[in-house]
Amino acid sequence: SQQGEEDPQALSIQEGENATMNCSYKTSINNLQWYRQNSGRGLVHLILIRSNEREKHSGRLRVTLDTSKKSSSLLITASRAADTASYFCATASSYNTDKLIFGTGTRLQVFP
Amino acid sequence: NAGVTQTPKFQVLKTGQSMTLQCAQDMNHEYMSWYRQDPGMGLRLIHYSVGAGITDQGEVPNGYNVSRSTTEDFPLRLLSAAPSQTSVYFCASSVGAVGNQPQHFGDGTRLSIL
Repeated sequence: SQQGEEDPQALSIQEGENATMNCSYKTSINNLQWYRQNSGRGLVHLILIRSNEREKHSGRLRVTLDTSKKSSSLLITASRAADTASYFCATASSYNTDKLIFGTGTRLQVFP
Repeated sequence: NAGVTQTPKFQVLKTGQSMTLQCAQDMNHEYMSWYRQDPGMGLRLIHYSVGAGITDQGEVPNGYNVSRSTTEDFPLRLLSAAPSQTSVYFCASSVGAVGNQPQHFGDGTRLSIL
């Protein structure tokens, strides 16, 4: 079964706006990762946040993690048309870090 | 720097045929995984390996076999293709446990079973 669930399933915004995607998971985790997938390509790792971190930044990306609510959010600020892609969260149980479970993803469309 | 290379990129099979999807990485990563991606779903883990000679089942292993004779290669075998195996298959590798390290993905193999 899928451990991560994301919402919204799809998001359409204009260039320059911020995009926020949310992820919920079910079990205790060590880390949570976010990946991006451009159409027809493989996934690309964006950021990893550890369970003892509450917020992490990388360029225009800001990730938050709330382990008490088992949820995370990915914020992309000042979005660009090139940010159009699907975004996935991924987690591994604290008890088995050999298996990464992906969410269903959020499809982001950024209009010029 | 090639990263993770998957071949072929596209394949059409008839029901009952067998084939091997190839995956190779040149980063000396110990961990390798195979996923399938179906429309509207995230990636589901088929099989994974934590090092040469060691493999284990993921979430959806039925109908697939793997082996890991070298660090570089992790082929996925479809034993008797079924229409339900029509999907996009991704191979990934990481330097350590996937829960703790970023995974590097290939660009996928798009497989259709008629």
